[in-house]
Amino acid sequence: SQQGEEDPQALSIQEGENATMNCSYKTSINNLQWYRQNSGRGLVHLILIRSNEREKHSGRLRVTLDTSKKSSSLLITASRAADTASYFCATPMDSSYKLIFGSGTRLLVRP
Amino acid sequence: DGGITQSPKYLFRKEGQNVTLSCEQNLNHDAMYWYRQDPGQGLRLIYYSQIVNDFQKGDIAEGYSVSREKKESFPLTVTSAQKNPTAFYLCASSDPGGRNTDTQYFGPGTRLTVL
Repeated sequence: SQQGEEDPQALSIQEGENATMNCSYKTSINNLQWYRQNSGRGLVHLILIRSNEREKHSGRLRVTLDTSKKSSSLLITASRAADTASYFCATPMDSSYKLIFGSGTRLLVRP
Repeated sequence: DGGITQSPKYLFRKEGQNVTLSCEQNLNHDAMYWYRQDPGQGLRLIYYSQIVNDFQKGDIAEGYSVSREKKESFPLTVTSAQKNPTAFYLCASSDPGGRNTDTQYFGPGTRLTVL
């Protein structure tokens, strides 16, 4: 079952530009997480935003959460070639600690 | 990839054979998970374990089996009953009773190919 769905599926930008990815989900959540996956590797946790938060920052990452629209966005500012990866949002399943992952956004940052 | 190791990195299997994928963690986490990832797709939950000697089926458990005899180990067996096992398999752990209760930590993955 899919809870989070990312948009766009793929994104290609020039180094230095900002990258924005969106995630929509279906049910009420207590938090939403973003993960990064480099090609052929495991996922790495980037940031968690709780349902009572609207915005959160971590370095060049900015995450927003709109619970009324059941959506979140991940903004990567001043992108670098090393940011090339797939980015997934994940939400808890049935108020448990199990996560449901979206299908991901594949980001390509061109040098 | 934190304190989770998976082995082997690449695994080849002939049709009709069972294979076991290893997952070990030294994070002292109670919960562990197995996911399957197909090309260009997200992760689908195969099995998860909340505590030693306990595990539950995820969304796609058919053709797979697991055991959780030790806190640090959660091996996954892909049986011959799994009709399309070629995929990338990811193991993860989390600490539901800790500070970062919902964050999952992933291993580097095992790529299984059926010949």
